[in-house]
Amino acid sequence: GAGVSQSPSNKVTEKGKDVELRCDPISGHTALYWYRQSLGQGLEFLIYFQGNSAPDKSGLPSDRFSAERTGGSVSTLTIQRTQQEDSAVYLCASSPRDKYGYTFGSGTRLTVV
Amino acid sequence: GNSVTQMEGPVTLSEEAFLTINCTYTATGYPSLFWYVQYPGEGLQLLLKATKADDKGSNKGFEATYRKETTSFHLEKGSVQVSDSAVYFCALIPTGNTPLVFGKGTRLSVIA
Repeated sequence: GAGVSQSPSNKVTEKGKDVELRCDPISGHTALYWYRQSLGQGLEFLIYFQGNSAPDKSGLPSDRFSAERTGGSVSTLTIQRTQQEDSAVYLCASSPRDKYGYTFGSGTRLTVV
Repeated sequence: GNSVTQMEGPVTLSEEAFLTINCTYTATGYPSLFWYVQYPGEGLQLLLKATKADDKGSNKGFEATYRKETTSFHLEKGSVQVSDSAVYFCALIPTGNTPLVFGKGTRLSVIA
């Protein structure tokens, strides 16, 4: 597609439930990134996929968070047993090999009640 | 480690005023520096970038110069418009194949 697509745009879930957030990157972009944007905290790096290499998971805040990227394209971020502090906007970005052309999606706003 | 510090907002200016948003960084080696903008209800967009010392990035009337001696990348615009109201993020990519590191963002409101 023309841009990075994220779904759903909004998600309200009960504490303790699992959620899945989806990201469709720009076709041909080899790198895919997940960030979390919390009020007053800026953008926090979560995980990074580059081609067929093992992902950089150094930013995941706990083992409740995981992500996968199937076929080098679509990515799913999963949060298990959600907590109220997980409430945030989750942003996905993709870039071509040169890594300087990040394109961000509009994000998924997650609210845990 | 690598980090970005930018002035806290919100910043409120009248239309046609001069804008400066300060940004300083800490990084090993020679990072690339960026300003991103997030308009209300929209995703992050790249505003400008500079990849080496003394480079000046510019776009839409905004400018920022990569100052290695002061480890700074301040954003400036000579005459802001209401449509510039947004949140501005300073960011860097350290040397090597690592992800963007962002500052906390500065909210700008321009009033007519």
